[in-house]
Amino acid sequence: DIQLTQSPSFLSASVGDRVTITCRASQDISSHLAWYQQKPGKAPKLLIYAASTLQSGVPSRFSGSASGTEFTLTISSLQPEDFATYYCQELNSYPITFGGGTKVEIK
Amino acid sequence: EVQLVESGGGLVQPGGSLRLSCAASGFTFSDHYMDWVRQAPGKGLEWVGRIRNKAKSYTTQYAASVKGRFTISRDDSKNSLYLQMNSLNTEDTAVYYCVRDYPHSGRHYFDYWGQGTLVTVSS
Repeated sequence: DIQLTQSPSFLSASVGDRVTITCRASQDISSHLAWYQQKPGKAPKLLIYAASTLQSGVPSRFSGSASGTEFTLTISSLQPEDFATYYCQELNSYPITFGGGTKVEIK
Repeated sequence: EVQLVESGGGLVQPGGSLRLSCAASGFTFSDHYMDWVRQAPGKGLEWVGRIRNKAKSYTTQYAASVKGRFTISRDDSKNSLYLQMNSLNTEDTAVYYCVRDYPHSGRHYFDYWGQGTLVTVSS
């Protein structure tokens, strides 16, 4: 199975900060990676798919990039509604796996 | 508007069975692969399994943790997805989400999620 290692697992930041979350895959997954945002008590929401494609309706301050087996989610200017937990997910092969999550909290 | 509404969750004893349903609306259900994802209390997301569409013969894939115990099925005439869960144990306690797949470049991303239904396995 492919392992996804997210870092950091916890992040404290202020409104307006630039935030970067990293997801490392244990083997090559091409660009078959997605990012999700989950707020407490709510279902996850798709932000980015195919490593760097912004889902329709998602603000442009969110972006994704890839370099080999390392993937990055960047929030260019953190907004109050962005405080949430973020998960990466690989869809290269079965079983589909998720990273452990990164909780972004208000500093 | 795409809507996915799960039902059927509740309290069940270890070793018991439960069947979850997901009612879909706002899109052509029969065209899409569908998945189940679960989340144990305070934990991360875990993919449970997938069912493909008629064009792919309704084939299924499962996580190792549920294979042989859980069965995913669908009824396209009722726009419904199901998860039959047998031989439940305490590790199956979780919120179960019904998920619609969005095809892109040979992969199927999870673009719409239901609100989830809680399954608690306890004596």
